[in-house]
Amino acid sequence: NAGVTQTPKFQVLKTGQSMTLQCAQDMNHEYMSWYRQDPGMGLRLIHYSVGAGITDQGEVPNGYNVSRSTTEDFPLRLLSAAPSQTSVYFCASSYSDRVTTEAFFGQGTRLTVV
Amino acid sequence: GQQVMQIPQYQHVQEGEDFTTYCNSSTTLSNIQWYKQRPGGHPVFLIQLVKSGEVKKQKRLTFQFGEAKKNSSLHITATQTTDVGTYFCAGPSYGKLTFGQGTILTVHP
Repeated sequence: NAGVTQTPKFQVLKTGQSMTLQCAQDMNHEYMSWYRQDPGMGLRLIHYSVGAGITDQGEVPNGYNVSRSTTEDFPLRLLSAAPSQTSVYFCASSYSDRVTTEAFFGQGTRLTVV
Repeated sequence: GQQVMQIPQYQHVQEGEDFTTYCNSSTTLSNIQWYKQRPGGHPVFLIQLVKSGEVKKQKRLTFQFGEAKKNSSLHITATQTTDVGTYFCAGPSYGKLTFGQGTILTVHP
């Protein structure tokens, strides 16, 4: 049971480049989310999904796109990378119908935009 | 939208001292969750509190949920070097979590 798998672990982009951060979970979780973590800012929600085919914006969605074509996968696309998107990105998933809805996090992707 | 504030931002303690972090929400929460993130790691779930006034203990960690379900606290008794990391509270809402800014705990041996 792999849990939540994020790839890549590290990435350096040039300003203006695009890329996709991959996230996959094998726990059949309905809920999936993307967060970015910056020093002193905690974890801020970028986009989230409550099921396949359903996505919504979080607190900081600008510059990012998501889609959820399957229950397992929730990729995050950076359309045109900017230095302000230098951050650590975490994907998380959780059940929707349990008493305890703990979120399981991936290992994170450390992104640097130069 | 919902906002979750957490204080202090940093806490430095000597090993053996106690530590407390506080969390306040702008709205009433259905439940509150606490996570720990070790340096260089990812957040890991510690506990969920659901009932008004609930108190739960995990060894040296004590978690409280306020009577109005808008605030919570985490208290660590007699800190150890293994307690270092960032502690986050989070308020769940239909598939998403709103996190506090976190409290970074350092423990000096």
